[in-house]
Amino acid sequence: EAAVTQSPRNKVAVTGGKVTLSCNQTNNHNNMYWYRQDTGHGLRLIHYSYGAGSTEKGDIPDGYKASRPSQENFSLILELATPSQTSVYFCASGEQGSQNTLYFGAGTRLSVL
Amino acid sequence: GEKVEQHESTLSVREGDSAVINCTYTDTASSYFPWYKQEAGKSLHFVIDIRSNVDRKQSQRLTVLLDKKAKRFSLHITATQPEDSAIYFCAARSGGNYKPTFGKGTSLVVHP
Repeated sequence: EAAVTQSPRNKVAVTGGKVTLSCNQTNNHNNMYWYRQDTGHGLRLIHYSYGAGSTEKGDIPDGYKASRPSQENFSLILELATPSQTSVYFCASGEQGSQNTLYFGAGTRLSVL
Repeated sequence: GEKVEQHESTLSVREGDSAVINCTYTDTASSYFPWYKQEAGKSLHFVIDIRSNVDRKQSQRLTVLLDKKAKRFSLHITATQPEDSAIYFCAARSGGNYKPTFGKGTSLVVHP
């Protein structure tokens, strides 16, 4: 069974502060993704990566940076957190291939006050 | 880029009835269409998918239909059970692009 672990599971941050969300996968998947889930918007892609050292902008990258230092780890960084970034964040991993099923982590609930 | 529209935001059925969730997409190059399920308070997990080289795929009580001409695909759940209650997300991805685009989700409630 594919395993994607996110930390922290819950986070309260202050406006203007720096937040780092971490994701680790043990599936040896090349692709990793960061999504946010908001009511009325569904899942929206923030950043993704095709392998160690690579990051790509998704559909809503503004205000976020990403880092993929290794095959296993993919971080999402909010340098200056804002209340509009309050959301549930999901990390996922997936193979490169015709199927590309995604395996999701448990999610991180972030509140920016 | 690709846009995926999920037409029903909520769907309520009685246990034992069928449920249908419809999605449309915009990119004619899309070739892979997965569905994911999110139970209350949990993460998403894959349930079924279809590729553009077929127009129908069944797995137990789930069937996915794909109409490439209309750029439409749908998830059919037969003999619904309370444990089918969840948010269902459709997604679309084009061949060389490993970046699936998701619909907004359909909340399915199965009443006993």
